Amino acid sequence: EAQVTQNPRYLITVTGKKLTVTCSQNMNHEYMSWYRQDPGLGLRQIYYSMNVEVTDKGDVPEGYKVSRKEKRNFPLILESPSPNQTSLYFCASRKEGQGPYEQFFGPGTRLTVL
Amino acid sequence: GDSVTQMEGPVTLSEEAFLTINCTYTATGYPSLFWYVQYPGEGLQLLLKATKADDKGSNKGFEATYRKETTSFHLEKGSVQVSDSAVYFCALLIGNEKLTFGTGTRLTIIP
Repeated sequence: EAQVTQNPRYLITVTGKKLTVTCSQNMNHEYMSWYRQDPGLGLRQIYYSMNVEVTDKGDVPEGYKVSRKEKRNFPLILESPSPNQTSLYFCASRKEGQGPYEQFFGPGTRLTVL
Repeated sequence: GDSVTQMEGPVTLSEEAFLTINCTYTATGYPSLFWYVQYPGEGLQLLLKATKADDKGSNKGFEATYRKETTSFHLEKGSVQVSDSAVYFCALLIGNEKLTFGTGTRLTIIP
């Protein structure tokens, strides 16, 4: 089954404790992206990657890092989480090139930073 | 910059009612337009799309027409069901850049 998976689905942590949210896709997609969803703000892009070893900032990159060492994986790293990063996070992937191509979303990770 | 403005929610309707969720956009180029749906506890799923002016996207009884003259892409359904309760997002894409989303509209259908 074609899918984007994220782990964990739920996470409660404390300020300053480094964490990683994993994202993996099995569709051989070049493009991957992270979004955060907050009430009244919709989805805002954090980082994206056009291919392996190619990453770039989205609209709200502060406080986040990403890496793309393999095509299928795109982890989101919070080096020192803060309460304003409490949010619902989605990973997404799609084909790259002449489109537009459908973007496939993971099930979401609900993060609470105390 | 590019932006999407969606009808404020939440929207509550009775089963079999007619649904319209308004969406207008601002874009510097010629966007493709999308409606995504998010069911409770799940990620977003593509509901329908339109890639050029006057295109009509349709799926699961939902329809939306790309209106360039009014920069709109309103979502409609003739007879809603309880299972349509979800959050609906309008989005645009220019070229193959990032998706720009509206704020979402929560729809609740009452039996």
